[in-house]
Amino acid sequence: DAGVTQSPTHLIKTRGQQVTLRCSPKSGHDTVSWYQQALGQGPQFIFQYYEEEERQRGNFPDRFSGHQFPNYSSELNVNALLLGDSALYLCASSLQTVGNTIYFGEGSWLTVV
Amino acid sequence: AQSVTQLGSHVSVSEGALVLLRCNYSSSVPPYLFWYVQYPNQGLQLLLKYTSAATLVKGINGFEAEFKKSETSFHLTKPSAHMSDAAEYFCAVSEASGSARQLTFGSGTQLTVLP
Repeated sequence: DAGVTQSPTHLIKTRGQQVTLRCSPKSGHDTVSWYQQALGQGPQFIFQYYEEEERQRGNFPDRFSGHQFPNYSSELNVNALLLGDSALYLCASSLQTVGNTIYFGEGSWLTVV
Repeated sequence: AQSVTQLGSHVSVSEGALVLLRCNYSSSVPPYLFWYVQYPNQGLQLLLKYTSAATLVKGINGFEAEFKKSETSFHLTKPSAHMSDAAEYFCAVSEASGSARQLTFGSGTQLTVLP
């Protein structure tokens, strides 16, 4: 049973560009969340998708957007990249029911130069 | 609003010694609490979680944590450290109600195990 898979694992972008990160949730999971983890810090919640809609959002600007597909996979898009967007982006999947275990992927390392 | 404070950004213990990583939380509603471990260049792995059942929670790799409401704490312990325990540990909190909620993480504690 595959866990949460993310792609790409590493990428480098130039300031001002746009990036798309992808996530496939653990089999059977219907909820996908995205987190940003800057170097030396704990992960910070970006947003959560369920039933193809954004259900919750953290304190991130509109440059951060996402999408969930009918097969529950998800994309995170970041426009107009800033140097400060350099971080590890983690995808987490779970069932919508509260209390269920949240599983994380290995993450996508984004470097903005 | 919820928050998590992890006391000590770096903790060093000798192999075989007790591991104690401290976590205090703030929550206006009953919380669910979690400990995650992150090895270098990897994602987060769940060690254990408290979801309002037993206050003493046992997790993987010999770790356990005790929920103490009066102290708003959820400290992580392991009786005997192993070299393979060296990693970064994150405490996290979510609301224990409604649909699946976001996790709020602490800033992490880097555990070093000395031979």
